Order: sequence, then C-alpha cells, then structure tokens
Amino acid sequence: GQSLEQPSEVTAVEGAIVQINCTYQTSGFYGLSWYQQHDGGAPTFLSYNALDGLEETGRFSSFLSRSDSYGYLLLQELQMKDSASYFCAVRDRGGYQKVTFGTGTKLQVIP
Amino acid sequence: ETGVTQSPTHLIKTRGQQVTLRCSSQSGHNTVSWYQQALGQGPQFIFQYYREEENGRGNFPPRFSGLQFPNYSSELNVNALELDDSALYLCASRTSGGNEQFFGPGTRLTVL
Repeated sequence: GQSLEQPSEVTAVEGAIVQINCTYQTSGFYGLSWYQQHDGGAPTFLSYNALDGLEETGRFSSFLSRSDSYGYLLLQELQMKDSASYFCAVRDRGGYQKVTFGTGTKLQVIP
Repeated sequence: ETGVTQSPTHLIKTRGQQVTLRCSSQSGHNTVSWYQQALGQGPQFIFQYYREEENGRGNFPPRFSGLQFPNYSSELNVNALELDDSALYLCASRTSGGNEQFFGPGTRLTVL
C-alpha cells in the first residue's frame, strides 16, 4: 500500500517563500502530484513530477527525489489567496495507476 | 470546454437509506475516479472506471458501487448508509494517460 506524510499546518507571511514537504512509502511509484484546495472548494492540480528534479510553474515549484521517497512544493511571493490546503498525491505504477492522497497541509498566509 | 460537474450539491439522508451521486466528466476524458473526503482529511480513493469498467478499487465495502456510461458520465451508489458515510464525495476525470485529474465541485452528503 501507500502512505504519505506532510505537515498538518504551516503559517507564512505574505511575500515570503514557503516549502511544504512530503515523504511517501509506496509499493510501486509512478509520480508525485500536488493539489491545492480552498475551503469549500474542489482540489485543483498544481504540478506533477515523475523524474528527479525541480519543475517550475510560475510562483510554484515542485521537487522530487525518488531515491529519498521525498518531494516538496515551493511557493514563492506568497499571496493571501494562497491560503488553502495542499495535498501531495502518489500515482501508482500498478495497472490502473491509482492516486493516493496525503492528509494535506493547511497553509495560512498572514499579512 | 465544459469542466467536471456533479449533482446534487448537497444531500441529507438517514441511516439505512440509499443514495446515488452523479458526475459528468470533462469532454474527452475516459477515466473517472471517485473519492470520499472527510472533514480535515485528504481525498480517499473509492474506485476508478475506465471505458465503463471498474478497473481499480480502494478499501471501501461492496455497498459502495458505481457505473460509467458510454458518454463517460458516472454514478456512485451507496447502500445502507451509515453515519460515517457523511463526507464530501468528489469525482475526478482524466484522459487514460493523463497526469492531471480534474475534480468536480463535490457532493456534500450528510447522514443523520
């Protein structure tokens, strides 16, 4: 099976940089995704890493180290609207490529 | 391009009843997954449908069942509702090889 660990809460100041870590254990790894979910909203896709290294998309970057079973999401130039829950999710190497989500990190951006 | 839609938005049922939740996938997406999300938790995988066949299932009992139709819309059925079934139910669609899942707004189910 799969298990993922990420911090439950993070607080950061507007304009700053924050890193949300994710460690995972899986029987078959295909890739790591990150999703953002505002209170009362649906998860929205942020990024996907299948290979080691950093992927950058605007203010958001995601990193993966397959050998360490570790990844992180980096948010730069934080804005108040970035206050949300962030989930890492592992995609299986199995036949139907099941996606397992972590328990989420609630990010609070303060002025 | 129409996104993923779900109906109803909210639903209140009593213990022991049955419920059907509906999802319309994004155009061109042939794979749909259903998730249960309890308050303060991450989405838990229920099952996945690909071309009208269930091809993967999480740790949910058989009273959770589903269907996918030729137009790739789908249903989640839950029988013999229990209080713990109260949650947000999300469907997500993607192409068969796609990395990005597109989520619907969810159905908030309350079981009394």
